[in-house]
Amino acid sequence: SQQGEEDPQALSIQEGENATMNCSYKTSINNLQWYRQNSGRGLVHLILIRSNEREKHSGRLRVTLDTSKKSSSLLITASRAADTASYFCATLVYGNNRLAFGKGNQVVVIP
Amino acid sequence: DTGVSQNPRHKITKRGQNVTFRCDPISEHNRLYWYRQTLGQGPEFLTYFQNEAQLEKSRLLSDRFSAERPKGSFSTLEIQRTEQGDSAMYLCASINLGTESYEQYFGPGTRLTVT
Repeated sequence: SQQGEEDPQALSIQEGENATMNCSYKTSINNLQWYRQNSGRGLVHLILIRSNEREKHSGRLRVTLDTSKKSSSLLITASRAADTASYFCATLVYGNNRLAFGKGNQVVVIP
Repeated sequence: DTGVSQNPRHKITKRGQNVTFRCDPISEHNRLYWYRQTLGQGPEFLTYFQNEAQLEKSRLLSDRFSAERPKGSFSTLEIQRTEQGDSAMYLCASINLGTESYEQYFGPGTRLTVT
């Protein structure tokens, strides 16, 4: 079963705008990760936030985690056409360390 | 390029045929995962290996599926008597368990189409 669940939105934004995606999960987590997938390709790790962290930055990415609400958000600032992709959140399952993914958010950045 | 490779990248087969996919993880990674992804969905866990030992199989992995990692390096995933419902992207990922990093490195995937 999948734990991470993104708001099933397809975002279409202009280059330079910010894109925000949300994710909710159901069980206790060790960490939550965000991955990007370009059309028809594999997934690329973007950022990881641990359960004892509330906010983390990496370049143009900002991720927040609210463990009381079991939710996370990913913000991409100053978007570029190359950011066009699907974005998935994933929680780490205790024991086997597999990832439980949500359905993903499709983001289209218009040049 | 994450360093994980998968072959073939695309496979079209007729229903009832057998197919085999290969995954070459990053060489020092001791754990390897297989996931399946259907259109519009996130990847779903199929199975994983710790070195050469297959430690867990998802309920998604029917008896027609078998996976191996004979020497703890590359892995193969075989589907026997393929069905149209097997059409999906098959992804493998590797990780070096024992480090602080939980990041999984994904291959580009094998897209299977069963006609």
